[in-house]
Amino acid sequence: ETGVTQTPRHLVMGMTNKKSLKCEQHLGHNAMYWYKQSAKKPLELMFVYNFKEQTENNSVPSRFSPECPNSSHLFLHLHTLQPEDSALYLCASSQELAGGYEQYFGPGTRLTVT
Amino acid sequence: DAKTTQPPSMDCAEGRAANLPCNHSTISGNEYVYWYRQIHSQGPQYIIHGLKNNETNEMASLIITEDRKSSTLILPHATLRDTAVYYCIVRGLGGTSYGKLTFGQGTILTVHP
Repeated sequence: ETGVTQTPRHLVMGMTNKKSLKCEQHLGHNAMYWYKQSAKKPLELMFVYNFKEQTENNSVPSRFSPECPNSSHLFLHLHTLQPEDSALYLCASSQELAGGYEQYFGPGTRLTVT
Repeated sequence: DAKTTQPPSMDCAEGRAANLPCNHSTISGNEYVYWYRQIHSQGPQYIIHGLKNNETNEMASLIITEDRKSSTLILPHATLRDTAVYYCIVRGLGGTSYGKLTFGQGTILTVHP
C-alpha cells in the first residue's frame, strides 16, 4: 500500500462511452499526476496538478479531461476514446519538496477500449 | 535534462548483491539522480535519490561517482521480489520542470533462485 488508491482497477469501454477514473491520496501531498503506460512503451506523463492548479498538459488529446477538485482527489474523464488509448493509467502524488520527484504511485487502472 | 543510459537487462542470484549501473555523463551541477522500480503490472515505486554523496536507505544504496557522470544502485541482498524494471532518472529542481519525471526503458532485473 502506497497511500494512493485508484478506482476502478479494470475498465472496458466502448469508443462512444464516457467514463471517469478516480485517484485518491491519503499522504497529505499537494501535487498529483496522471501517467499513461502503453504496452512495451515507457511511462508517459500526461498531467500535473500542483496545489489543485494544472501546471502541465503534455500535449494530451482533449478526449482526456482531468479534474482536481482538491489536493487529495484527481479524476480523469474519458470520452470518445480510441482503441490505441488502451493502456495502464497511473496516478501519483508528491509533496512539494525536492522538486516533486519523489512520487508515490497508485496501482493503476487497466483500460481497454473496444 | 541529462539523458541516462542503462543496460536493458541484468540477472542476479538470490541472496547476492545486485549492482545496477546508470550513465549520465551530461548531468549538470544541480541535477539529482533518482531511482524507481516497477514490478510487473504495478505502479512504479520510489527507491532513492542523491545529488553527489552516497545515500543509503532501507531499500538500497546509491553510489555516485566523484565526477557524477555515473551511478550504481545496489540492492545488498536481492530476493525474488526484487525482480522488476529499474529506472534511473536525472532531474534538476525548480523552474517549469516541477514533477516532470521522464521514464526511459530502464533495466529489467531478474533475480534467480
